[in-house]
Amino acid sequence: AQTVTQSQPEMSVQEAETVTLSCTYDTSESDYYLFWYKQPPSRQMILVIRQEAYKQQNATENRFSVNFQKAAKSFSLKISDSQLGDAAMYFCAYRSASSGTYKYIFGTGTRLKVLA
Amino acid sequence: EPEVTQTPSHQVTQMGQEVILRCVPISNHLYFYWYRQILGQKVEFLVSFYNNEISEKSEIFDDQFSVERPDGSNFTLKIRSTKLEDSAMYFCASSANLGWGTTEAFFGQGTRLTVV
Repeated sequence: AQTVTQSQPEMSVQEAETVTLSCTYDTSESDYYLFWYKQPPSRQMILVIRQEAYKQQNATENRFSVNFQKAAKSFSLKISDSQLGDAAMYFCAYRSASSGTYKYIFGTGTRLKVLA
Repeated sequence: EPEVTQTPSHQVTQMGQEVILRCVPISNHLYFYWYRQILGQKVEFLVSFYNNEISEKSEIFDDQFSVERPDGSNFTLKIRSTKLEDSAMYFCASSANLGWGTTEAFFGQGTRLTVV
């Protein structure tokens, strides 16, 4: 069974600085998707960034980028030029692409605080 | 922008009572999910639903749970006889497709269920 681990329950970053959130996963599959979701307080989870496992190039979305290390099963999220609006819970998630199961498997989340 | 909406935002119920949590997925989406998050724990998969039937369910989703798409727009989760341990945040999600070129799941803002 696949698992997703986020080892940082909470992180803090100064406004305009860069922060990296860690995520590791375990799977025996070769085809899968990885996601980072952001959940602001009392709001729904929204997708920040996604990565297809077959792509070697790391995904980027404006200030958000990932460091995808397939062999190490690591998928970290880097937020550059942090803004107050980035404060939220961040969830790493895994979804199989090939096994016929389409459920998302989540980590426990990392709460990001942005300090003014 | 289209979004998944859930009602109510907070539900308090007596142990042993039935509850129905409601969700309106994004209108052209085909795949629907329920997840739950017990306070301080990870987001857990409950069930996925496609083509008017359950496509996958977790071990949490026992006979006390059921899902329904009664009218082509709503997607409901029913808990027949609530237990204290059912207290959690329940998230509904929907996705347009799940094959290659997959789109991400869009999540609702959640219903906080408190069983007393």
